[in-house]
Amino acid sequence: EIVLTQSPATLSLSPGERATLSCRASQSVSTYLAWYQQKPGQAPRLLIYGASNRATGIPARFSGSGSGTDFILTISGLEPEDFAVYYCQQRSSWPSLTFGGGTKVEIK
Amino acid sequence: QVQLAESGGGVVQPGRSRRLSCTSSGFLFSTYGMHWVRQAPGKGLEWVAVISHDGKNKNYGDSVKGRFTISRDNSKNMVFLQMGSLKTEDTGMYYCAKERGSSDLDLWGQGTLVIVSS
Repeated sequence: EIVLTQSPATLSLSPGERATLSCRASQSVSTYLAWYQQKPGQAPRLLIYGASNRATGIPARFSGSGSGTDFILTISGLEPEDFAVYYCQQRSSWPSLTFGGGTKVEIK
Repeated sequence: QVQLAESGGGVVQPGRSRRLSCTSSGFLFSTYGMHWVRQAPGKGLEWVAVISHDGKNKNYGDSVKGRFTISRDNSKNMVFLQMGSLKTEDTGMYYCAKERGSSDLDLWGQGTLVIVSS
């Protein structure tokens, strides 16, 4: 089973700052890596698929990079609505999926 | 409107069964694989099960294998999760989600809460 490890667990930043979230896979997942955003009381929302492709309607301040085992989600300038929990997910072992443990981006 | 809506959650005793339903609208349901994903209170996301677009292929997470069964009715645009031998650790919000190109999940319902407690 492929394990995804996200770091840090919590990121404390101010609006306007840049957020850098990491996701590391226990073995290569090529670029079969997605990122989701989840706000309290809401369902997750797809942000990035294929490691670097923004989903429909996702603002350009969200970007993804990486391949193999190391991936980054960058939020170039935090807006108030971006404070949330972010999860990575791999599909290399399709049809099984696995999610990372999540990174909470909180207001400093 | 493109959406998914889960139902069937509630309080259930350990060892009992429960059936969750998910109704879709606004897209061609029969052409997409469908998943269930759950989230224990205050915890992260856990993948539960997947069913192919035609219902012929199914797969389950290790923690539910042998206890849960996923199915679908394409004539009604619905997917189901039959949960059996429920344990307290099955407590959580259950989401149904639509596949995007056999890769990730691009549409999620709002979830239905299952509480397993005596």
